[in-house]
Amino acid sequence: QVQLQESGPGLVKPSQTLSLTCTVSGGSVISGSYCWNWIRQPAGKGLEWIGRICTSGSTNYNPSLKSRVSISVDTSKNQFSLHLSSVTAADTAVYYCARDPGSAWYFVLWGRGTLVTVSS
Amino acid sequence: SYELTQPLSVSVALGQTAKISCGGNNIGGRNVCWYQQETGQAPILVMYRDSHRPSGIPERFSGSNSWNTATLTISRAQAGDEADYYCQVWDTSTVVFGGGTKLTVL
Repeated sequence: QVQLQESGPGLVKPSQTLSLTCTVSGGSVISGSYCWNWIRQPAGKGLEWIGRICTSGSTNYNPSLKSRVSISVDTSKNQFSLHLSSVTAADTAVYYCARDPGSAWYFVLWGRGTLVTVSS
Repeated sequence: SYELTQPLSVSVALGQTAKISCGGNNIGGRNVCWYQQETGQAPILVMYRDSHRPSGIPERFSGSNSWNTATLTISRAQAGDEADYYCQVWDTSTVVFGGGTKLTVL
């Protein structure tokens, strides 16, 4: 049974880069035709898709975040990562990693989420 | 950019039927999915490709999509159905979520 677990700093200073990792257990990050996504949710607000990386290596990003976002895969650690640069308080949110089937953009498998606060 | 509109809240009496709408321009031509999110928990997919239920989702949950409105229907509502519900589509290599609807079971 594949599971996802987010990890990373819970506090990031403004203007710095937010970096999170999602560890895939029970399966391989490079198997199948899946795509690996990051989604966030500010407290009391809705969901916002950040971007994804597929096993093919292709990436897609939310146009509103594209200039600040990078998603990559580390096959040796069976992880994928999110890097969000030049953060502000508006980037404070719970960050989720999730998997989509590749052929369609919906999310069956989710991590539990991790809270990241941007504050000095 | 494409936008999805959901009512902020929907109330339903215990045992009755709840309908949660998701409006979008010609949404009927897109694949819609729905998520249930309880407080403090990660979302759970309850419907995909308009009307397909993932394994483990009760038959009480059903979906439809036509013209400018997609609808998630929850029959015989239970207290455990009380949660936030989000619709979602994908559009030109990006994902769009609706703003979410809080379902209250009275």
